[in-house]
Amino acid sequence: QSALTQPPSASGSPGQSVTISCTGTSSDIGAYNFVSWYQQHPGKAPKLMIYEVSKRPSGVPNRFSGSKSGNTASLTVSGLQAEDEADYYCASSAGNSWVFGGGTNLAVL
Amino acid sequence: EVHLVESGGGLVQPGGSLRLSCEASGFTFGSHWMHWVRQAPGKGLVWVSSINPEGTYSGHADSVRGRFIISRDNAKSTLHLQMNSLRADDMAVYYCTRDGGNWDHDHWGQGTLVTVSS
Repeated sequence: QSALTQPPSASGSPGQSVTISCTGTSSDIGAYNFVSWYQQHPGKAPKLMIYEVSKRPSGVPNRFSGSKSGNTASLTVSGLQAEDEADYYCASSAGNSWVFGGGTNLAVL
Repeated sequence: EVHLVESGGGLVQPGGSLRLSCEASGFTFGSHWMHWVRQAPGKGLVWVSSINPEGTYSGHADSVRGRFIISRDNAKSTLHLQMNSLRADDMAVYYCTRDGGNWDHDHWGQGTLVTVSS
Protein backbone atom coordinates (compact mmCIF):
# COMPACT_ATOMS: atom_id res chain seq x y z
CA GLN A 1 0.00 0.00 0.00
CA SER A 2 2.66 2.52 -1.03
CA ALA A 3 1.43 5.98 -1.92
CA LEU A 4 1.17 6.98 -5.56
CA THR A 5 3.87 9.44 -6.66
CA GLN A 6 2.92 13.00 -7.53
CA PRO A 7 5.11 16.08 -7.96
CA PRO A 8 4.83 18.21 -4.81
CA SER A 9 4.13 21.38 -6.78
CA ALA A 10 3.04 22.70 -10.15
CA SER A 11 2.27 26.15 -11.46
CA GLY A 12 0.96 28.08 -14.40
CA SER A 13 -0.31 31.48 -15.42
CA PRO A 14 -3.99 32.26 -15.93
CA GLY A 15 -5.17 30.84 -19.24
CA GLN A 16 -2.34 28.33 -19.50
CA SER A 17 -2.56 24.54 -19.22
CA VAL A 18 -0.91 22.44 -16.52
CA THR A 19 -0.57 18.67 -16.30
CA ILE A 20 -0.06 16.81 -13.02
CA SER A 21 1.28 13.27 -13.14
CA CYS A 22 0.51 10.37 -10.80
CA THR A 23 2.70 7.28 -10.96
CA GLY A 24 1.75 3.95 -9.46
CA THR A 25 2.44 0.32 -10.17
CA SER A 26 1.04 -2.62 -12.09
CA SER A 27 -0.96 -3.48 -8.95
CA ASP A 28 -2.94 -0.25 -8.83
CA ILE A 29 -3.03 2.29 -11.69
CA GLY A 30 -1.72 -0.21 -14.21
CA ALA A 31 -4.26 -2.85 -13.20
CA TYR A 32 -7.50 -0.90 -12.95
CA ASN A 33 -9.28 1.95 -14.72
CA PHE A 34 -10.41 3.27 -11.35
CA VAL A 35 -8.22 6.35 -11.10
CA SER A 36 -9.81 9.42 -9.57
CA TRP A 37 -8.65 12.97 -8.85
CA TYR A 38 -9.58 15.29 -5.99
CA GLN A 39 -9.27 19.04 -5.47
CA GLN A 40 -8.79 20.39 -1.96
CA HIS A 41 -8.81 24.05 -1.00
CA PRO A 42 -7.25 25.02 2.36
CA GLY A 43 -9.43 24.08 5.28
CA LYS A 44 -11.99 22.35 3.08
CA ALA A 45 -12.92 18.75 2.36
CA PRO A 46 -11.68 17.28 -0.92
CA LYS A 47 -13.91 17.36 -4.00
CA LEU A 48 -14.09 14.71 -6.70
CA MET A 49 -12.96 16.13 -10.05
CA ILE A 50 -12.31 13.04 -12.21
CA TYR A 51 -13.35 9.40 -11.85
CA GLU A 52 -12.66 6.27 -13.87
CA VAL A 53 -9.53 7.90 -15.33
CA SER A 54 -11.24 10.50 -17.50
CA LYS A 55 -14.90 11.02 -16.53
CA ARG A 56 -16.11 14.29 -15.02
CA PRO A 57 -18.86 14.43 -12.41
CA SER A 58 -21.72 16.79 -13.08
CA GLY A 59 -20.71 20.37 -12.34
CA VAL A 60 -16.98 19.97 -12.89
CA PRO A 61 -15.78 22.27 -15.67
CA ASN A 62 -14.58 20.62 -18.87
CA ARG A 63 -11.28 22.44 -18.33
CA PHE A 64 -10.39 19.44 -16.18
CA SER A 65 -9.45 16.25 -18.00
CA GLY A 66 -7.80 12.97 -17.09
CA SER A 67 -5.87 10.26 -18.87
CA LYS A 68 -3.78 7.16 -18.19
CA SER A 69 -0.90 5.37 -19.84
CA GLY A 70 0.50 2.24 -18.26
CA ASN A 71 1.18 2.87 -14.59
CA THR A 72 0.88 6.67 -14.85
CA ALA A 73 -2.24 8.80 -14.74
CA SER A 74 -2.44 12.50 -15.51
CA LEU A 75 -4.72 15.41 -14.71
CA THR A 76 -4.71 18.36 -17.10
CA VAL A 77 -6.20 21.72 -16.18
CA SER A 78 -6.68 23.91 -19.24
CA GLY A 79 -7.42 27.63 -19.24
CA LEU A 80 -6.15 28.02 -15.67
CA GLN A 81 -8.22 30.24 -13.41
CA ALA A 82 -7.39 31.72 -10.04
CA GLU A 83 -9.89 29.42 -8.29
CA ASP A 84 -8.00 26.37 -9.57
CA GLU A 85 -5.24 27.10 -7.06
CA ALA A 86 -5.49 24.18 -4.64
CA ASP A 87 -4.02 20.82 -3.70
CA TYR A 88 -4.77 17.94 -6.06
CA TYR A 89 -4.68 14.26 -5.14
CA CYS A 90 -4.89 11.21 -7.34
CA ALA A 91 -6.24 7.89 -6.09
CA SER A 92 -6.52 4.38 -7.43
CA SER A 93 -8.21 1.16 -6.52
CA ALA A 94 -5.66 -1.53 -5.73
CA GLY A 95 -7.87 -4.59 -5.56
CA ASN A 96 -8.91 -4.89 -1.94
CA SER A 97 -7.61 -1.47 -0.98
CA TRP A 98 -7.28 2.09 -2.18
CA VAL A 99 -4.17 4.23 -2.46
CA PHE A 100 -3.78 8.00 -2.73
CA GLY A 101 -1.00 10.13 -4.10
CA GLY A 102 0.99 12.46 -1.90
CA GLY A 103 -0.68 15.53 -3.40
CA THR A 104 0.36 18.36 -5.71
CA ASN A 105 0.03 22.01 -4.79
CA LEU A 106 -1.07 23.89 -7.89
CA ALA A 107 -0.24 27.59 -7.92
CA VAL A 108 -1.80 30.00 -10.39
CA LEU A 109 0.80 32.72 -10.82
CA GLU B 1 -28.68 16.43 -1.59
CA VAL B 2 -26.07 14.09 -0.15
CA HIS B 3 -24.91 14.94 3.36
CA LEU B 4 -22.28 13.18 5.44
CA VAL B 5 -21.72 14.42 8.99
CA GLU B 6 -18.92 12.98 11.09
CA SER B 7 -18.76 13.06 14.87
CA GLY B 8 -16.87 11.47 17.74
CA GLY B 9 -13.45 13.03 17.30
CA GLY B 10 -11.54 14.59 20.16
CA LEU B 11 -8.51 14.31 22.40
CA VAL B 12 -7.43 10.85 23.52
CA GLN B 13 -4.32 9.54 25.24
CA PRO B 14 -1.97 7.12 23.48
CA GLY B 15 -3.35 3.62 23.84
CA GLY B 16 -6.89 4.90 24.18
CA SER B 17 -10.01 4.34 22.09
CA LEU B 18 -12.50 6.44 20.16
CA ARG B 19 -15.56 5.64 18.09
CA LEU B 20 -16.25 7.83 15.10
CA SER B 21 -19.68 8.04 13.51
CA CYS B 22 -20.90 9.37 10.18
CA GLU B 23 -24.58 10.15 9.70
CA ALA B 24 -25.64 9.98 6.06
CA SER B 25 -28.67 11.53 4.38
CA GLY B 26 -29.94 12.38 0.94
CA PHE B 27 -29.31 8.99 -0.65
CA THR B 28 -29.95 5.27 -0.20
CA PHE B 29 -27.20 4.54 2.31
CA GLY B 30 -27.49 0.76 2.07
CA SER B 31 -26.67 0.81 -1.65
CA HIS B 32 -23.19 2.27 -1.44
CA TRP B 33 -19.73 1.25 -0.35
CA MET B 34 -18.50 3.65 2.32
CA HIS B 35 -14.98 4.64 3.31
CA TRP B 36 -12.89 6.41 5.92
CA VAL B 37 -10.00 8.54 4.72
CA ARG B 38 -7.69 10.49 7.02
CA GLN B 39 -5.40 13.48 6.70
CA ALA B 40 -2.71 14.26 9.24
CA PRO B 41 -2.03 17.97 9.83
CA GLY B 42 -0.29 19.43 6.78
CA LYS B 43 -0.12 16.03 5.09
CA GLY B 44 -1.88 14.18 2.30
CA LEU B 45 -4.91 11.94 2.13
CA VAL B 46 -4.61 8.34 3.28
CA TRP B 47 -7.18 5.58 2.86
CA VAL B 48 -8.10 3.94 6.16
CA SER B 49 -11.03 1.53 5.80
CA SER B 50 -13.88 0.51 3.51
CA ILE B 51 -17.07 -1.50 3.89
CA ASN B 52 -19.46 -2.98 1.33
CA PRO B 53 -23.15 -1.99 1.17
CA GLU B 54 -24.36 -5.01 3.14
CA GLY B 55 -21.70 -4.65 5.81
CA THR B 56 -20.46 -8.17 5.17
CA TYR B 57 -17.01 -7.27 3.84
CA SER B 58 -14.51 -4.72 5.01
CA GLY B 59 -10.93 -3.78 4.30
CA HIS B 60 -8.37 -1.83 6.32
CA ALA B 61 -5.02 -0.24 5.60
CA ASP B 62 -2.01 -2.12 6.93
CA SER B 63 -1.31 0.71 9.38
CA VAL B 64 -4.65 0.25 11.19
CA ARG B 65 -5.49 -3.42 10.64
CA GLY B 66 -6.10 -5.16 13.94
CA ARG B 67 -6.71 -1.84 15.75
CA PHE B 68 -9.55 -0.19 13.79
CA ILE B 69 -12.91 -1.72 12.87
CA ILE B 70 -15.31 -0.26 10.34
CA SER B 71 -19.01 -1.04 10.61
CA ARG B 72 -22.35 0.28 9.46
CA ASP B 73 -25.99 0.41 10.52
CA ASN B 74 -28.05 0.65 7.35
CA ALA B 75 -31.28 1.06 9.32
CA LYS B 76 -29.85 4.24 10.84
CA SER B 77 -27.83 5.32 7.77
CA THR B 78 -24.75 5.51 9.94
CA LEU B 79 -21.13 4.50 9.41
CA HIS B 80 -18.78 3.85 12.33
CA LEU B 81 -15.06 3.52 12.91
CA GLN B 82 -13.97 1.96 16.19
CA MET B 83 -10.40 2.99 16.85
CA ASN B 84 -8.41 1.15 19.52
CA SER B 85 -4.80 1.31 20.69
CA LEU B 86 -4.46 4.80 19.27
CA ARG B 87 -0.99 6.11 18.52
CA ALA B 88 0.44 9.54 17.86
CA ASP B 89 0.58 8.82 14.13
CA ASP B 90 -3.19 8.23 14.08
CA MET B 91 -3.71 11.93 14.76
CA ALA B 92 -5.59 13.35 11.78
CA VAL B 93 -8.83 14.68 10.40
CA TYR B 94 -10.97 11.66 9.58
CA TYR B 95 -13.30 11.97 6.62
CA CYS B 96 -16.29 9.78 5.86
CA THR B 97 -16.73 9.31 2.12
CA ARG B 98 -19.32 7.75 -0.15
CA ASP B 99 -18.33 5.55 -3.06
CA GLY B 100 -20.25 6.74 -6.10
CA GLY B 101 -20.30 3.25 -7.58
CA ASN B 102 -17.20 3.83 -9.65
CA TRP B 103 -14.58 2.99 -7.01
CA ASP B 104 -14.25 6.65 -6.12
CA HIS B 105 -15.08 9.01 -3.27
CA ASP B 106 -17.82 11.19 -4.72
CA HIS B 107 -19.00 12.85 -1.53
CA TRP B 108 -17.06 13.78 1.59
CA GLY B 109 -18.06 14.86 5.06
CA GLN B 110 -16.54 17.88 6.72
CA GLY B 111 -14.22 15.68 8.78
CA THR B 112 -13.67 15.14 12.48
CA LEU B 113 -10.33 15.77 14.19
CA VAL B 114 -8.71 13.07 16.27
CA THR B 115 -5.88 14.25 18.53
CA VAL B 116 -3.70 11.66 20.24
CA SER B 117 -1.63 13.16 23.01
CA SER B 118 -0.81 12.70 26.67
